[in-house]
Amino acid sequence: SQQGEEDPQALSIQEGENATMNCSYKTSINNLQWYRQNSGRGLVHLILIRSNEREKHSGRLRVTLDTSKKSSSLLITASRAADTASYFCATDKAAGNKLTFGGGTRVLVKP
Amino acid sequence: NAGVTQTPKFRVLKTGQSMTLLCAQDMNHEYMYWYRQDPGMGLRLIHYSVGEGTTAKGEVPDGYNVSRLKKQNFLLGLESAAPSQTSVYFCASSEGWTGQPQHFGDGTRLSIL
Repeated sequence: SQQGEEDPQALSIQEGENATMNCSYKTSINNLQWYRQNSGRGLVHLILIRSNEREKHSGRLRVTLDTSKKSSSLLITASRAADTASYFCATDKAAGNKLTFGGGTRVLVKP
Repeated sequence: NAGVTQTPKFRVLKTGQSMTLLCAQDMNHEYMYWYRQDPGMGLRLIHYSVGEGTTAKGEVPDGYNVSRLKKQNFLLGLESAAPSQTSVYFCASSEGWTGQPQHFGDGTRLSIL
C-alpha cells in the first residue's frame, strides 16, 4: 500500500500561475521528500523537509509540512512550461527503513 | 559525471525468458535501490542494498533477484519473466539510508509478451 497520496492527480495551469499539490500520509515519518519526473526520465530530487520543520523554500518551490494532519504541500510559484512534469512525494517513515512514494500529480503548464 | 546509468533502456522479452538489468553509479554511494513504476501506482521498492555484498527485500521482491558484487553496480535479475513484470524499472542510489535524497537513473522499459 502507498504511504503517500497526492492530490490532485492532475493539474492544468497557464504559464505564470501558481501550482499547488498536496500529499497525505498515514504513519509517522522522519522526513518527506518531493521529486519531479519529466516524461520518459528518472525522478529528480527537489526538496526534503524533516519532521521537525514546518516550511522550506528552494527557488520557486515552497514546501509545507503539517505532522498533526499528516500532510504536506508543494507550491510552485510563477510556473513555466518547463515545470510540466509529474511530481511525487515520498515519505521516510519513523520506523526508518525505506522511501515510500505516492502515485504522483501530473502538472501541465500551458504557454 | 554520469550519476546513475541504467542499461538497457528498452527490452522486450517473451514469457519465461530471463534477463539482467544493470545499474551503475559513479557517486561512491553506499545505498542502492531498485524500483518498479506502474501507471497510477507510483514507485514500489523491489530490492535494496546498504553496501557492497549486501542485499535486502523491499515491498515487491517476488520474481526478482539482485546482486551487489561491486559498490558501484547493482544488478536486477528476472529468472523467468512473466507479463505481470511488464513495467518501467528505476535504479537509484543515495549516500545514506534516511534523510538523504535519492539519485535516479532514466529507467529501463521492459515489456513481457
